[in-house]
Amino acid sequence: EDQVTQSPEALRLQEGESSSLNCSYTVSGLRGLFWYRQDPGKGPEFLFTLYSAGEEKEKERLKATLTKKESFLHITAPKPEDSATYLCAVLPTGGFKTIFGAGTRLFVKA
Amino acid sequence: EAEVAQSPRYKITEKSQAVAFWCDPISGHATLYWYRQILGQGPELLVQFQDESVVDDSQLPKDRFSAERLKGVDSTLKIQPAELGDSAMYLCASSTGTSGSPETQYFGPGTRLLVL
Repeated sequence: EDQVTQSPEALRLQEGESSSLNCSYTVSGLRGLFWYRQDPGKGPEFLFTLYSAGEEKEKERLKATLTKKESFLHITAPKPEDSATYLCAVLPTGGFKTIFGAGTRLFVKA
Repeated sequence: EAEVAQSPRYKITEKSQAVAFWCDPISGHATLYWYRQILGQGPELLVQFQDESVVDDSQLPKDRFSAERLKGVDSTLKIQPAELGDSAMYLCASSTGTSGSPETQYFGPGTRLLVL
């Protein structure tokens, strides 16, 4: 069964304290892996799409990487405004349905 | 910047009542998705349309939920009758690609449903 697992469930950081969020997936084949940011009470906001192992993408303080079994979202020198839930999702090969993980809730304290 | 529109933003109803949610995708987006998100969980796909056709509705509780996209543009999701367990955020998303292509899904602000 296709599955997406994110860890940790919650992460508390001090401003400037870099860290990484993990997304591990179990699918027969991967067409795309997506990272979204979701603020409380709002819809998810697209961050990145990764397609193949070894691929990396960056946006401001965020960098997403992909291996054959997992993806990492690295946050460098986070600020309080980076506080949000970060969702990982995968689209398996041959399927129509995008599968989301439960998300990692990030809290950045000033 | 084009956005996905949803209404209402909030809905409070009593169990056994009917509720309806509306979604207007970004213009030109052929694929439309309805997701349900329970607090603390990730979005779960309820139904996916390619133009006016249903591509996947395997997780849609068809005894009480229905969805339509008659002209291949905007869409309505209905629940009748609502149950306490239906309390959740209902998210609509749209994308340019055909179903199964790894295109970016753009989400609307969601409708927060509370069933009393």
